[in-house]
Amino acid sequence: RKEVEQDPGPFNVPEGATVAFNCTYSNSASQSFFWYRQDCRKEPKLLMSVYSSGNEDGRFTAQLNRASQYISLLIRDSKLSDSATYLCVVNQAGTALIFGKGTTLSVSS
Amino acid sequence: GAGVSQSPSNKVTEKGKDVELRCDPISGHTALYWYRQSLGQGLEFLIYFQGNSAPDKSGLPSDRFSAERTGGSVSTLTIQRTQQEDSAVYLCASSSPGTSITGELFFGEGSRLTVL
Repeated sequence: RKEVEQDPGPFNVPEGATVAFNCTYSNSASQSFFWYRQDCRKEPKLLMSVYSSGNEDGRFTAQLNRASQYISLLIRDSKLSDSATYLCVVNQAGTALIFGKGTTLSVSS
Repeated sequence: GAGVSQSPSNKVTEKGKDVELRCDPISGHTALYWYRQSLGQGLEFLIYFQGNSAPDKSGLPSDRFSAERTGGSVSTLTIQRTQQEDSAVYLCASSSPGTSITGELFFGEGSRLTVL
């Protein structure tokens, strides 16, 4: 079983749509959770952290369900520039960050 | 520059040859990571250096892979007797203390390895 699993997509949505990505993780000792974004042929960059209480950053909302070992990312009012691969990341203190394979989003006009 | 620097950016080699990939982390970052990414795949963890602690080598796929970090700064990833399945983009990242909280790794642009 993979440590971090994501639906690879692709998710093809029109501009203005709301889209949600899900991620599950297998290690119940995981303590920290993040979403990264990777543009085509570029390096990954941190998008946002995921907190137990849920958190928002503009059009982006992240949620964590520790009991179900499930993380989500919601993007509202999608823009063309949101087209990218979104990577779910989990971490235990003192260890390397573990990345999921990513979910590809394509936003069209 | 102020970012993570990797070299070479592209490397084409023949099966069976050894290759060395270099990573120059951001100055002051205590942690250094190597990942690899194959076409259409996610990031596969290889090895993690944190300060003076013993490195976490649990992600290295075989004993043909090794890495060292000299003086707590520059790191070299060595692949011996390369195989075609080693073809991938090798990404190096560094981070400051507290990354478990911030989650922010700073990645280099990667070294694209092609084994013929």
